[in-house]
Amino acid sequence: NAGVTQTPKFQVLKTGQSMTLQCAQDMNHNSMYWYRQDPGMGLRLIYYSASEGTTDKGEVPNGYNVSRLNKREFSLRLESAAPSQTSVYFCASSDTQAFFGQGTRLTVV
Amino acid sequence: GENVEQHPSTLSVQEGDSAVIKCTYSDSASNYFPWYKQELGKRPQLIIDIRSNVGEKKDQRIAVTLNKTAKHFSLHITETQPEDSAVYFCAAFITGNQFYFGTGTSLTVIP
Repeated sequence: NAGVTQTPKFQVLKTGQSMTLQCAQDMNHNSMYWYRQDPGMGLRLIYYSASEGTTDKGEVPNGYNVSRLNKREFSLRLESAAPSQTSVYFCASSDTQAFFGQGTRLTVV
Repeated sequence: GENVEQHPSTLSVQEGDSAVIKCTYSDSASNYFPWYKQELGKRPQLIIDIRSNVGEKKDQRIAVTLNKTAKHFSLHITETQPEDSAVYFCAAFITGNQFYFGTGTSLTVIP
């Protein structure tokens, strides 16, 4: 049972480049989330998906897009990366408990 | 939406002492309150949780208390050990909605 798997673990982008962070869960959860974590800021919600086919903005959605491809997969896309998007990104899924992926450390130079 | 506040932001205790972290929430519809531990460079891991129909829950050295009237809940760690050093996050959840996290408490246990 892998739980929540996200890729890649590390990524360096140049300003203006695009990339997609992938997340998949094998726990049959309806809800999935993308968070970013910055020092002293805790976990801030970017987008979440309460079920397949639905997505909602969280606290900090600007500069990001998401796709809930199916029940298992929820991807996060940066269309034009900016240095302010340098952060650690966590995917999570939940039914009555939330489980996190291992995180992606993204640096935008 | 829900607003979760967590205090203190940093906490240092001597090994063997107790540590208490407190959180408040604003939305009375919140009905599930998990606590996560995040070690350096790792993902947050659930350590204990409590639902709104329960006032206290214990798991070995860890306990959580909930006061629905005052809208606050607390994490208690007794007999602290160096391996308890980590960042701890509280969260509040509304069924059918999302998790709202506190800003975290960095706990250091001094040997």
